[in-house]
Amino acid sequence: KAGVTQTPRYLIKTRGQQVTLSCSPISGHRSVSWYQQTPGQGLQFLFEYFSETQRNKGNFPGRFSGRQFSNSRSEMNVSTLELGDSALYLCASSGGIGEETQYFGPGTRLLVL
Amino acid sequence: GQQLNQSPQSMFIQEGEDVSMNCTSSSIFNTWLWYKQDPGEGPVLLIALYKAGELTSNGRLTAQFGITRKDSFLNISASIPSDVGIYFCAGHSTQGGSEKLVFGKGTKLTVNP
Repeated sequence: KAGVTQTPRYLIKTRGQQVTLSCSPISGHRSVSWYQQTPGQGLQFLFEYFSETQRNKGNFPGRFSGRQFSNSRSEMNVSTLELGDSALYLCASSGGIGEETQYFGPGTRLLVL
Repeated sequence: GQQLNQSPQSMFIQEGEDVSMNCTSSSIFNTWLWYKQDPGEGPVLLIALYKAGELTSNGRLTAQFGITRKDSFLNISASIPSDVGIYFCAGHSTQGGSEKLVFGKGTKLTVNP
């Protein structure tokens, strides 16, 4: 089975812009979670989608949003980018209810200038 | 909220030495997961533990799910240079009716040849 894929792998944006990141889960997985990773804060949970519905949400401002499509692929969007949004954004997929082991993609490295 | 205390934060060892790291929490978890992350990549699942008291090995790696369900440890035997990286523990719970994966802040391992 192919693993979790994320596109793009690297991205450079300027303050005020918006960005959309994409994640394709492992085939058959219905749950997709997003994390922000920075050197100082570690892995921070953004949100989780299951069957196109947001099931859990972390403590991030409304500028961070996401969605999931019927094929379980997910996107996350960050609007009005700030310098502090520079981070590695990781997506992880799992089977869903009762199958909570998460498998991570390689991440998207976002740099905001 | 739930927190995982992972220790040590960093370790510097000689090739061939054994390594031990652990995670503790005041909360109960149903599942413990251990991941390894190389620079610029996503975390890779090493070991998953699903039952209290469970002891599982994966090659030179051994992990245990604490009997109280509040802790877990990971041992690496006979370390080699490619063991370098950041190791994360993660605990899964269904506290408050919502499923959640909580991560430790990581243990950075350096192996001197």
